[in-house]
Amino acid sequence: DAGVIQSPRHEVTEMGQEVTLRCKPISGHDYLFWYRQTMMRGLELLIYFNNNVPIDDSGMPEDRFSAKMPNASFSTLKIQPSEPRDSAVYFCASSLGGTETQYFGPGTRLLVL
Amino acid sequence: GENVEQHPSTLSVQEGDSAVIKCTYSDSASNYFPWYKQELGKRPQLIIDIRSNVGEKKDQRIAVTLNKTAKHFSLHITETQPEDSAVYFCAARWGNEKLTFGTGTRLTIIP
Repeated sequence: DAGVIQSPRHEVTEMGQEVTLRCKPISGHDYLFWYRQTMMRGLELLIYFNNNVPIDDSGMPEDRFSAKMPNASFSTLKIQPSEPRDSAVYFCASSLGGTETQYFGPGTRLLVL
Repeated sequence: GENVEQHPSTLSVQEGDSAVIKCTYSDSASNYFPWYKQELGKRPQLIIDIRSNVGEKKDQRIAVTLNKTAKHFSLHITETQPEDSAVYFCAARWGNEKLTFGTGTRLTIIP
């Protein structure tokens, strides 16, 4: 199994631009989680899905952030417009069942100039 | 919601010695406590976990203990090796599927 796949691995963009992060969960996993990691705030849960349906988006910082999961093998996290304070590492994780181990992807390192 | 505190934030130990990292949680309904290891520039990876119906769990040099009454759990690494150097995160899950993570401990093993 390839594990959780994220793309791009690195993204550098200018303030105001749209950023789209992508995630492919482990095949067969029914839960998908988006996290953001910064030095100041640590690892924060942004949103998670069960069977492609968003369950809890209370961690999404503001309306500039949106996430979708059009099918069981693909999810996107979009930031529009991006701001320098969005600079962070964004991780996607998946699990088989909500109470089981979460497996993290390699992350996307985002830098907004 | 759940609140998880982790101590210490940094820890240096001599190679071969033991390391202990402690976490406390706020919600007595929490029932699952994983520990993740994150090497520099890499993803967090699960190293051990414990559920609320168990007091201790071991996996080779790594062990986790849980005290439900005091609402704290600890990671113990024995016979530390240079490859144990990393940031370690504890987490707690209560009720549903959400994990709340601690702030991390940067462990450095001194050769």
